[in-house]
Amino acid sequence: NAGVTQTPKFRILKIGQSMTLQCTQDMNHNYMYWYRQDPGMGLKLIYYSVGAGITDKGEVPNGYNVSRSTTEDFPLRLELAAPSQTSVYFCASSTGTGTDTQYFGPGTRLTVL
Amino acid sequence: GNSVTQMEGPVTLSEEAFLTINCTYTATGYPSLFWYVQYPGEGLQLLLKATKADDKGSNKGFEATYRKETTSFHLEKGSVQVSDSAVYFCALKRSNYQLIWGAGTKLIIKP
Repeated sequence: NAGVTQTPKFRILKIGQSMTLQCTQDMNHNYMYWYRQDPGMGLKLIYYSVGAGITDKGEVPNGYNVSRSTTEDFPLRLELAAPSQTSVYFCASSTGTGTDTQYFGPGTRLTVL
Repeated sequence: GNSVTQMEGPVTLSEEAFLTINCTYTATGYPSLFWYVQYPGEGLQLLLKATKADDKGSNKGFEATYRKETTSFHLEKGSVQVSDSAVYFCALKRSNYQLIWGAGTKLIIKP
């Protein structure tokens, strides 16, 4: 059981470049999330989705975009990378019901120079 | 608003020592409370949870009790091991989709 997978694990971007962080889950979860984790800080929610075709902004959505065309995939797009987007990005999924444990991917460490 | 405050780290202990990591929260109503753990180089994983006042969550020798009167959910373990070295996050569930996270506490266990 793969759970939540993310690619790539590491990436270095130049200012102004674009990239897509991939996230896939095989648990048939309706809810999916993107977080960023900055040093010494808790996780901040970037975007979330409650099902295919439905996405919404979290706390820190500026500079990012998402799509959810299937239940399994929830890619995160950075259009014009900035140094402030240097962070570790985590994708997570959950059923959206009950106490709703979130299951996390291993993360993508992104550096923007 | 809703918030979670954790004790600052790093917390450094010797093997077999007793562990407490403090977590307090501010919230309306009765949110579910969680402890997640992040081992080096990995994503977060649920350690334990509690859904109502006086509930005790437990897993892998760790325990935490939901204290409504003190708005706390402190994490404890009686005898820590080197393998417990990780970052521990306290969180509360605000809605169907959103968790509010503490800043995390790094735990270092020395043999």
